[in-house]
Amino acid sequence: DTAVSQTPKYLVTQMGNDKSIKCEQNLGHDTMYWYKQDSKKFLKIMFSYNNKELIINETVPNRFSPKSPDKAHLNLHINSLELGDSAVYFCASSQERGRYGYTFGSGTRLTVV
Amino acid sequence: AQSVTQLDSQVPVFEEAPVELRCNYSSSVSVYLFWYVQYPNQGLQLLLKYLSGSTLVKSINGFEAEFNKSQTSFHLRKPSVHISDTAEYFCAVSDSMFSGGYNKLIFGAGTRLAVHP
Repeated sequence: DTAVSQTPKYLVTQMGNDKSIKCEQNLGHDTMYWYKQDSKKFLKIMFSYNNKELIINETVPNRFSPKSPDKAHLNLHINSLELGDSAVYFCASSQERGRYGYTFGSGTRLTVV
Repeated sequence: AQSVTQLDSQVPVFEEAPVELRCNYSSSVSVYLFWYVQYPNQGLQLLLKYLSGSTLVKSINGFEAEFNKSQTSFHLRKPSVHISDTAEYFCAVSDSMFSGGYNKLIFGAGTRLAVHP
C-alpha cells in the first residue's frame, strides 16, 4: 500500500527517558513534516524537511530533534521526556512543496508517565 | 501569518439532517484551502480542497465546501448526514512561506461533528 507509516502506534514511557518515532513514506513525495496534536485536538507543525534539508523549525524545545536519512524517511527523537510531551504526533508528506495538501500517517500516541 | 477560525467546537445533529461546519481564514491573498477529517483514533484524511477554479468543491461521500473570497470563508456542508460521519473535522489553509515557496498547513481548532440516531 502507498502510504505514510509511523512506528510505533503507541508509546508509553517514563519521564526523563529518550525515545524515537519513525516515519516512512512510499509516495515519492519530496517533503515531510511532523505535527503535534495536543489533548484538545489542536494541530501544530513542528518540523519540515525537503529532500533531507530542514526547511521549517517552529518553536520547539531543543529536546526534539528530527533526522532525515533520505527523502522517504523522517524520524523524531525526543530527549529527556516530560509530562507535557504527551500528545499524538503525526507525520505527513507532500509534493509540490505542500501546495496541494499533505498526506498524513495514522499517528503515534505518546504518553509520558 | 495565516490563521484559521472554526467557530463551532462541537456540532450535534440528528441522522439525515443537514449540517454546516464553519471555517474562516485570515488572509485576503490567494490561498489554498482544505478540509480534513479525523475519525476516532485515526489519522487525518483529506476530505476536499480548493486550489483554484470553481468555488464549490465536492467530496466523494457527499460533503461540499464553498470558497467565498469576500467573506474569507470555506464552510463545509452536507445535506444529509449519517452516523458514520461522526468525526473531528479540521479546516486548514496553506500558508505560503518565504522565498523557498514552501507551504505549511495551518489548522483550525477542529469541529467535533456528533451524529445521533
